[in-house]
Amino acid sequence: GAVVSQHPSWVICKSGTSVKIECRSLDFQATTMFWYRQFPKQSLMLMATSNEGSKATYEQGVEKDKFLINHASLTLSTLTVTSAHPEDSSFYICSADNNEQFFGPGTRLTVL
Amino acid sequence: TQLLEQSPQFLSIQEGENLTVYCNSSSVFSSLQWYRQEPGEGPVLLVTVVTGGEVKKLKRLTFQFGDARKDSSLHITAAQPGDTGLYLCAGDWTGGGADGLTFGKGTHLIIQP
Repeated sequence: GAVVSQHPSWVICKSGTSVKIECRSLDFQATTMFWYRQFPKQSLMLMATSNEGSKATYEQGVEKDKFLINHASLTLSTLTVTSAHPEDSSFYICSADNNEQFFGPGTRLTVL
Repeated sequence: TQLLEQSPQFLSIQEGENLTVYCNSSSVFSSLQWYRQEPGEGPVLLVTVVTGGEVKKLKRLTFQFGDARKDSSLHITAAQPGDTGLYLCAGDWTGGGADGLTFGKGTHLIIQP
């Protein structure tokens, strides 16, 4: 139990385009989900907390207008990277809270 | 901002040797988690420690939570090549269950056969 999926697992896009990443809790409901970013050879950095039915809470230094988060249901949160640039290329990982955090497999974003 | 110091960042040892990874903070944790992450995958939870002085074992891995709940260690006995990976500690200071985790920088472990 407590499986979290992400889609897509990897995506390549052109600079200036927007990319949507989905995070789903498959066998439990999650009021709260989290989005992390991980650059090569580095650790995970919390970007934002996604709350079902309310606005996301962003960590300091994370632009809310660039990283749009929508948590429309108890099993789905989406992260949209708007007007992506090469410096946004990273590994994006979500987690869902079910008394502890269960992590998705990650999405590799490459912006050309 | 809470900080989590993890050391060492890189460690390469021979198969059969023992090793310890440390995770320290100046603040008291509500709980602390240890994860292992393979390249291109999300982190997988190894253990959660909650009580000061707690010791948990997972086969050859021993996890210890400091008495003051400000530090933790991961000890691997007789390391094997299959233990190679990125080990991450992550702390929760609030205990509310609905706060994102703060991760240490990770320990890149390589076990050479």
